Parts: sequence; structure tokens; C-alpha cells
Amino acid sequence: EAGVAQSPRYKIIEKRQSVAFWCNPISGHATLYWYQQILGQGPKLLIQFQNNGVVDDSQLPKDRFSAERLKGVDSTLKIQPAKLEDSAVYLCASRRGLVGAGELFFGEGSRLTVL
Amino acid sequence: AQKITQTQPGMFVQEKEAVTLDCTYDTSDPSYGLFWYKQPSSGEMIFLIYQGSYDQQNATEGRYSLNFQKARKSANLVISASQLGDSAMYFCAMREGPGTASKLTFGTGTRLQVTL
Repeated sequence: EAGVAQSPRYKIIEKRQSVAFWCNPISGHATLYWYQQILGQGPKLLIQFQNNGVVDDSQLPKDRFSAERLKGVDSTLKIQPAKLEDSAVYLCASRRGLVGAGELFFGEGSRLTVL
Repeated sequence: AQKITQTQPGMFVQEKEAVTLDCTYDTSDPSYGLFWYKQPSSGEMIFLIYQGSYDQQNATEGRYSLNFQKARKSANLVISASQLGDSAMYFCAMREGPGTASKLTFGTGTRLQVTL
């Protein structure tokens, strides 16, 4: 079974530029998450999708961040315009079931550096 | 208030020894789950072990066991017979909330270094 795929692995941009990250979850996984992990901290949930609907985006800075999951499979996370404090690893995770007990499977992350 | 607290920023253990990584949590939800993940330098989060709030016995997975003390709200990870490959960041996480709205909250992590 293929794991969660993310791209790009690394991205360097200047502040005020835009960037997009892509995630392909494990086949058949209904729930998809985007986490932001700042260096030295634990991952922080940005947004959670159930199929193609948003379940929780309470911690997503909506003035600059957006995410979508068209057709309930792949997802993209966009930042526009980027700020210095957006430098972090963006982790995508998926889970098979609709109800919470199963573990999350994570991708390798997309490391963003904003200069 | 912190949902998940990991008070040990870094730990050292000698190869073949056992080590305990601490985790305390805070929730008013009667149904919740506790997870431990390992994050090596490559960055991927690797699931290690899960404990449900209603589970009567402590979870075990190979060399990993979870010391679940519900009254104290602690869920410590015990790694037995440490190996050099165990050197990594370890995160405790808690799932709470109903059904499809449940989400996972992570602690700040403990960096484990296994030495010869």
C-alpha cells in the first residue's frame, strides 16, 4: 500500500510570494489533515477534511491560507502572501475511517523557508 | 491550558536500556485516545502505539508499551531494549471530540538520543 505522498519536499520563497503544496492521501482514506510544524514544536492542525468537506479549519489563518480537496482525494494547501513566520514543515496526514479511533498516516512533509 | 504536556525536551539512554518518555494530558471528554508517534530526522511521523480511554489494559506493541494512568491523566511511553535507531523526536498526541469532528492534538515532543 502506497503511503501519503506530498510535494514539493522543499520550497524556498521570499515573503509576500505565494506557494502551493500538494497531498495525495492513501487510497480509500476519507479523512485528510494538514498540519503545520514549526521548528522545535509539535504539529498544529490547520485544516481537516472529511471526503471533500471541511470539518475543522478553526486554526487556519484564512486571510492568507486556503485549502481544498476536490473530489475527496487529492488536496492542495496554498499560502498567499507568505510571511516569515510561515516557515515550517507542512505535514499531510490521512485516516481510513470517518470515526476517530484509527491512527493517522503522515507524509514526509513539505519544508517551507520564507526569506 | 495545554492539552498535551511533554516536560522532557531531551533524553539520553544507553543502548539496550529501557527509557520512559512522559506525557500528561487534559480533557473533559470521557471518550478519547492517546497516541505516540516517532519522528526521525527524515521528518515523517511514524505511528507507534495507541491507547483508548476505555481500554482496561495498557497497550503494547513490540518494544513499545504505554503506561496509562487514567486518574493521573498520564500516558507515558516505555521503550525497552533501546536501539541506536530509536534516536528521534517522540510526540504524544490526544484524540478528542465526537465522531467525524474528532481531531488530534500534539505535544511539543521529546528528543531521544540513544548512546553506545
